[in-house]
Amino acid sequence: AQSVTQLDSHVSVSEGTPVLLRCNYSSSYSPSLFWYVQHPNKGLQLLLKYTSAATLVKGINGFEAEFKKSETSFHLTKPSAHMSDAAEYFCVVSEPNYGQNFVFGPGTRLSVLP
Amino acid sequence: EAGVAQSPRYKIIEKRQSVAFWCNPISGHATLYWYQQILGQGPKLLIQFQNNGVVDDSQLPKDRFSAERLKGVDSTLKIQPAKLEDSAVYLCASSDQGVKTQYFGPGTRLLVL
Repeated sequence: AQSVTQLDSHVSVSEGTPVLLRCNYSSSYSPSLFWYVQHPNKGLQLLLKYTSAATLVKGINGFEAEFKKSETSFHLTKPSAHMSDAAEYFCVVSEPNYGQNFVFGPGTRLSVLP
Repeated sequence: EAGVAQSPRYKIIEKRQSVAFWCNPISGHATLYWYQQILGQGPKLLIQFQNNGVVDDSQLPKDRFSAERLKGVDSTLKIQPAKLEDSAVYLCASSDQGVKTQYFGPGTRLLVL
C-alpha cells in the first residue's frame, strides 16, 4: 500500500524568499503524485501533478516539483514566496494501476512573513 | 466547465441526530470520492464509487455511515446517528479517466454538539 510523509508540519518563510515543502512517498507501483493547496475555509485546489512524463513538473502560481525516484521524493518549490501563498499544502500519492486509491499526506502549513 | 457541487455548506446538529450531504460531480466523471477531513489533518477517504458501484469503502464506519450513488451521477452521504467525533469537513471529489486527477468540491462543514 502506498503512503506519504510530509517532513515539516509548518514552514515559515519571508515574502520574496524561496519555498521548499518536502514530500516523500512509498509505493509498490509506478505512482502518480500530486500537490494540492487549501486556503483557509476553501476547497482543495490542484497545484500540479506527475504522471510518469517529465520528472520536473510545473504548476500554477509559479510552483514546481521534481519527481526523484531514487530518493522517493516529490518536493514542492517556488523561487519567490508571495503573501497569498500562505495556506495548507498536501502531497498525494496514487497508484493508477492498483485500485486508484489516493492517499494524502498530513499536510504542511506555509506561513509567509512580510 | 462546472466544478464539483456540494450542499449544504454548513450543518450544525446535535449528537444522535442524522444528517445527509449531497454531491454532484463534474459531468462525465465516472469516479466519485467522499473524504472526511478533521481539523488539522489531511483528508481521509471514506468511500470511492466507480459509476454506481463501490470500489473501496474500507474506512467507512458502516455502523453509522452510508453512501449511495444512484444512476452513477450524484451521490449522498448519510450519518445516523451522529457522534461528537464526526465533526469535520466532508469533501466530495470526482475524477476523470486517463490520468485520474481528482477535483474537489468546496466541502460541507459539520459540527456535532
